Amino acid sequence: EAGVAQSPRYKIIEKRQSVAFWCNPISGHATLYWYQQILGQGPKLLIQFQNNGVVDDSQLPKDRFSAERLKGVDSTLKIQPAKLEDSAVYLCASSSSFQETQYFGPGTRLLVL
Amino acid sequence: GDSVTQMEGPVTLSEEAFLTINCTYTATGYPSLFWYVQYPGEGLQLLLKATKADDKGSNKGFEATYRKETTSFHLEKGSVQVSDSAVYFCALSGGTSGNTPLVFGKGTRLSVIA
Repeated sequence: EAGVAQSPRYKIIEKRQSVAFWCNPISGHATLYWYQQILGQGPKLLIQFQNNGVVDDSQLPKDRFSAERLKGVDSTLKIQPAKLEDSAVYLCASSSSFQETQYFGPGTRLLVL
Repeated sequence: GDSVTQMEGPVTLSEEAFLTINCTYTATGYPSLFWYVQYPGEGLQLLLKATKADDKGSNKGFEATYRKETTSFHLEKGSVQVSDSAVYFCALSGGTSGNTPLVFGKGTRLSVIA
């Protein structure tokens, strides 16, 4: 069974530029999560989808971050404009449904200069 | 809100030493508890989990017991190997809000030397 796929693996941009990350969950997984992991800290939830609907985006900085999950499969997370403090690893995870085990992708490491 | 506190690292051990990484949590309700591991250059992998009080999760020689009375989920291994060198994260899900996103501790880096 293929795991969670993410791209790109690494991205370097300058502040005020925009960037987008892509996630393809495990086939059939209805629940998808985006987490932000700042160096030296544990991951923190940004947004949770159930199929193509948003369940929880309370910690998403909506003035600059946006995310979508069209057709309830792939998802895209966008930052516009980026700030220095957005430098982090962005992790995508999926699970077959609520309360089931979450499986993580390899992450996208973002550096904002 | 819910939170997880785990021991500060880094932890450096010799091969075959006994490992304990402490983890305590704050949450009402009945959260599920997890240990995730992140090997160098790789993504987070589920190591073990426990879904109710007194459950013991185990995998690859690692164990952790869900202690509701002490709100703890300490990770243990009797004899570590160099290949266990990684960052270990304690996490909970389904606590106060009943929601399922994971709440993580800050992670503990383990280095095992031969």
